Amino acid sequence: EPEVTQTPSHQVTQMGQEVILRCVPISNHLYFYWYRQILGQKVEFLVSFYNNEISEKSEIFDDQFSVERPDGSNFTLKIRSTKLEDSAMYFCASIPGVVNTEAFFGQGTRLTVV
Amino acid sequence: AQKVTQAQTEISVVEKEDVTLDCVYETRDTTYYLFWYKQPPSGELVFLIRRNSFDEQNEISGRYSWNFQKSTSSFNFTITASQVVDSAVYFCALSDPYSGAGSYQLTFGKGTKLSVIP
Repeated sequence: EPEVTQTPSHQVTQMGQEVILRCVPISNHLYFYWYRQILGQKVEFLVSFYNNEISEKSEIFDDQFSVERPDGSNFTLKIRSTKLEDSAMYFCASIPGVVNTEAFFGQGTRLTVV
Repeated sequence: AQKVTQAQTEISVVEKEDVTLDCVYETRDTTYYLFWYKQPPSGELVFLIRRNSFDEQNEISGRYSWNFQKSTSSFNFTITASQVVDSAVYFCALSDPYSGAGSYQLTFGKGTKLSVIP
C-alpha cells in the first residue's frame, strides 16, 4: 500500500540552526501539507501546497518557514533559524485530489531544538 | 471559522467496557468531511474514518462505530469491548473542501486520551 514517508524520524538541532524536514508524498497525489503537533497538544495546520505553490498557510507559518517541491517527488519544510518553541512533531500529509480528500499522513519527524 | 471540540481530555476504562468519544464541530458550510484519527504512543496518525456531511448513516467497522448527527453537529466514536491496544489519543477533524481556498486542510480537535486498563 502506498504511503507517505518522512525523514528523519527524529532531528535534534541547536537553536538558531536551519533544519530541513523531508517528505515523499504518495506519487499521484495532488495536494501536500505540513502539520505541527507540539507535545501533548493538538495537530495544527501549517501550510498546503498545490501545483507547485503554496495554496494556504496558517499564522504559524511565518517568514522562518518555507516549503519546496524541488524534484517532483520530495516535499520539504525548511525552518531557517530554529527557536526552542519550534520543538514539535511535524507531519507531512498528502491527499489524492478534489474528489477524494482523505489525508494520508507520514509517520512524523520529531524535531527537538536545544 | 471552523472549530472542533473534544470536551473529554482523558478517559480511562477497564478492558471490555464500551467507551464513547465525543466530537462536536462548527462550520458555516453545508458540505464538509469529518474524520477520526488514532495516535498511538509511537506518535503516528492512523486514519480511522472519513464521513461526508451528506451521509448521515451510522457506520460500524468491527468494534468501532460512529454516530453522525448533523442536527447537533456531532460525530461521536464508540469502541465496543475495549482492548488495551485501543489505548491512544483519538483526534476528531473537520475538512471543508469547498471553502474556495482550495486547500482542504484539516482542523483538529485537541484529542481525547483513552487509557484501557487490563
